[in-house]
Amino acid sequence: GALVYQYPRRTICKSGTSMRMECQAVGFQATSVAWYRQSPQKTFELIALSTVNSAIKYEQNFTQEKFPISHPNLSFSSMTVLNAYLEDRGLYLCGARRAERLFFGHGTKLSVL
Amino acid sequence: GQQVQQSPASLVLQEGENAELQCNFSSTATRLQWFYQHPGGRLVSLFYNPSGTKHTGRLTSTTVTNERRSSLHISSSQTTDSGTYFCGGDSNYQLIWGSGTKLIIKP
Repeated sequence: GALVYQYPRRTICKSGTSMRMECQAVGFQATSVAWYRQSPQKTFELIALSTVNSAIKYEQNFTQEKFPISHPNLSFSSMTVLNAYLEDRGLYLCGARRAERLFFGHGTKLSVL
Repeated sequence: GQQVQQSPASLVLQEGENAELQCNFSSTATRLQWFYQHPGGRLVSLFYNPSGTKHTGRLTSTTVTNERRSSLHISSSQTTDSGTYFCGGDSNYQLIWGSGTKLIIKP
C-alpha cells in the first residue's frame, strides 16, 4: 500500500527559531509532493508544489526564503519553517502524489511559543 | 465562487445510523478525492472517484461528473467514524479542498 511518513508529528519552537520537517513516501515513488498548512479552523493552504528535477512552485504568501524545500528524490522531501512566529502555527501536511491520488501522513503540528 | 463546496458543515448521528456527505465541485476542480481526517490530524485517502460509484467496507462514494457532485455514504455508522471528512478536486495538479464535514457519531 501507499504510506507516507511525516516527522516529527509535533514540535514546539521558540518564536524566531526554525524547525525542519520531513516527508517520506514508502512503497511508491511520488511524482510530486505538495506541502499544505491547515489552520486551527481546518482550512488548507497550499504552500508549495514540488516535483523532482523541476523548480518548486510556491503559492502566493509563501516564499522559498521562509519555507525552503528540499526534494532530492522520488521518496523524500523536507521543508523548513524559518524564523517561526505565531502566525506560522498549524498542522503542516505533505501530500505525496501517486498517479492521480494524494496520500498523506500524520502531519507535523507546529506550536510556537 | 468556491470551487469545492461541502455540506453539511457538521453532522451528529447515533451509532448505527447512516451518514450522507455531499460535495459539489466546479468544472475546474475535477478528479474528486475523499479524505478522512482523524481527530489527531492524520489524513487518510478514502476514495479517488472521478466518476461512478466505488465501495470499500461500509463506505460508498458516488460521483456524477456532469452534475459536478459527489457523495460519501457511510452505512451503519460507528463511533470510530467520528472525525472530519474532506473532498478535494484537482485543479492544475493542485488539490482544491472543500471546507470539510465534521461527523460526530454518538454511542
